[in-house]
Order: sequence, then structure tokens, then C-alpha cells
Amino acid sequence: GGIITQTPKFLIGQEGQKLTLKCQQNFNHDTMYWYRQDSGKGLRLIYYSITENDLQKGDLSEGYDASREKKSSFSLTVTSAQKNEMAVFLCASSIPRAGYEQYFGPGTRLTVL
Amino acid sequence: GEKVEQHESTLSVREGDSAVINCTYTDTASSYFPWYKQEAGKSLHFVIDIRSNVDRKQSQRLIVLLDKKAKRFSLHITATQPEDSAIYFCAASRGGSAKLIFGEGTKLTVSS
Repeated sequence: GGIITQTPKFLIGQEGQKLTLKCQQNFNHDTMYWYRQDSGKGLRLIYYSITENDLQKGDLSEGYDASREKKSSFSLTVTSAQKNEMAVFLCASSIPRAGYEQYFGPGTRLTVL
Repeated sequence: GEKVEQHESTLSVREGDSAVINCTYTDTASSYFPWYKQEAGKSLHFVIDIRSNVDRKQSQRLIVLLDKKAKRFSLHITATQPEDSAIYFCAASRGGSAKLIFGEGTKLTVSS
């Protein structure tokens, strides 16, 4: 088995601040994802990376940057935190073929003051 | 853009009864339909999926039905137990795409 770790678990920032969320997986999966989950809502895809040198925008990429440092790690940067961005950010990984399950990390809860 | 809609935002059933959660999708090219479960305070985990080459799949107490003509799929949980209480998310993706579109979730409560 494997595990996905996300750091930090809780992130508090000021409006306008640049904030970085980190994700590590030891499944040896090629594909990694960042989602945003707003309270009581579904998941929206921010960025994903099919393989180590790939980066693709999801439906919610505006205001975010992402970086795939190596196969096992995928970072997300909130370029200028806004109050309406308070949400849980979930990282996931999967094998690089369509139609296979994604494994999710525990999440980072972002609060913007 | 493409959408996946979950028709029930909440669902309450008694222990032992069946629960049915319905989803519809808009992208006719969708061919993979997974379901995920999120227990209170936890992250999501995969429970079952169905691909477009079949219209029914069962795994123990979970049954997924797919109606491609109606662009509808559903999760049936039989003989529900209190530990089935959670938020269930349906999702869909196109053939060849790693990108999943999620529904908004259905909160299932099983009371004993």
C-alpha cells in the first residue's frame, strides 16, 4: 500500500498573501491532482500532472500555480489569497491511464483572514 | 462546460433498507463513472466504478447501474448499515482522459 501526505494540515494566511501547499505520494503513481472542496460542495479540479514533466490546467486554475518537482511531489501555490478561497484543498494520485481510481490525501484546510 | 449532477443532496434511510443515489452527466463521450465516499472529517476514498461497456456492476452490497441513453447512473446500497453514513460523490470522465468531473455529493444518513 501507499500513502499521500499533505502539508500543512491547516494553513492560515492574510488576504493577498502567496501561500504554498505541498503533496507527497509513495504509490509511485505518475499522475497527480489538486482539487478544491468548498463547504458542502463537490470537488473542482485546479491543476493536474499526467507525468513528471507535465502540467495541465483544470477548471479552476485562475489564481493558482502548480509545480511538479519530481514524480512523488506536487505543489500548489495560491498566488494571492482571497477571503472567498476558504476551502479544503485535496491532493490525489493515480496511475496514468484514464478510468482508474484516484487515491486522496487528507487535505489542507485554508483560512484567509 | 461538462457537468455531473447529483439529484439528492441528502438522503435518510433506516438501517437495513436500500439507498439509491442518482447522477446525470452531460458529456456523451463519458465512459468511466466512479463513486467515492467521504466519511465525516475524512478524505475521499474510492468505493466502486462502472465503465460504459457494461450497464450493471455489483460489489458486495453496492450496485451501480448505467443508462447511457439517458446519461444517468446510480449507486444502490443494499442492506444499509450505520457505517454507510457518509457523503457519496459520483464522477465521470471521458475515454482517454485522466480528468474527473465530480457531482456535488449526497449526504447519506443511516439511522438504526
